Amino acid sequence: QSALTQPASVSGSPGQSITISCTGASGAVGTYNLVSWYQQHPGRVPKLIIYEGTKRPSGVSDRFSGSKSGDTASLTISGLQAEDEADYYCCSYAGSDFAVFGGGTQVTVL
Amino acid sequence: QVQLQQWGSGSLKPSETLSLTCEMSGGSFSDHLWSWIRQSPGMGLEWIGEITHWGNTAYNPSLRNRVTILIDTSKNQYSLSLKSVTAADTAVYYCARVSTGSFIVKSGGVTTPHYYYYMDVWGEGTTVTVSS
Repeated sequence: QSALTQPASVSGSPGQSITISCTGASGAVGTYNLVSWYQQHPGRVPKLIIYEGTKRPSGVSDRFSGSKSGDTASLTISGLQAEDEADYYCCSYAGSDFAVFGGGTQVTVL
Repeated sequence: QVQLQQWGSGSLKPSETLSLTCEMSGGSFSDHLWSWIRQSPGMGLEWIGEITHWGNTAYNPSLRNRVTILIDTSKNQYSLSLKSVTAADTAVYYCARVSTGSFIVKSGGVTTPHYYYYMDVWGEGTTVTVSS
């Protein structure tokens, strides 16, 4: 059982914007913990796309953006493209020297 | 840039010990933590544990009594051992570099610490199958 809750699936049409939420339990996503987000295509290695809650690594499209409100972090994909179809995971430090992932969200481009 | 190459036992029988090694190249051990993550077939990512260059470790409570992570800075390697494996340990195992830290945010006269934790470099993954 994950301490971070994500929707199992989110879908959208090309060009639309979608948002994936990541809600923390026990302070895993709280005022002080900044979430990271990973994209994983089938059979591929996870790729960091957002770190420190809102920052993008070099080379990651600016169509990906991160935000937070209270105990919920969010990943928004703008201008949805076919190549964005993948699984997305949030991750946070959960205290007590322990990190945790969300259960993952499958993004489908209609 | 930093790369992680991993290898180890891919096929095990129940009760055996899983052993994986991750070798880092192109960087230094000292500025990061070094972690192991796994993904069971069709499932999500699970954080197994991490180690500092000093050898300090932290483990997932659900695996703590079976897992050991060690580091050999002279070889730029760190390793994962998981004993008494069962079919439930069948998964793809990844090594990954961790960046973590904190900074202060000042707002309205109030200062609050903010903590970050992310894996920015990943190994290619090793498929481990446990079957009798």
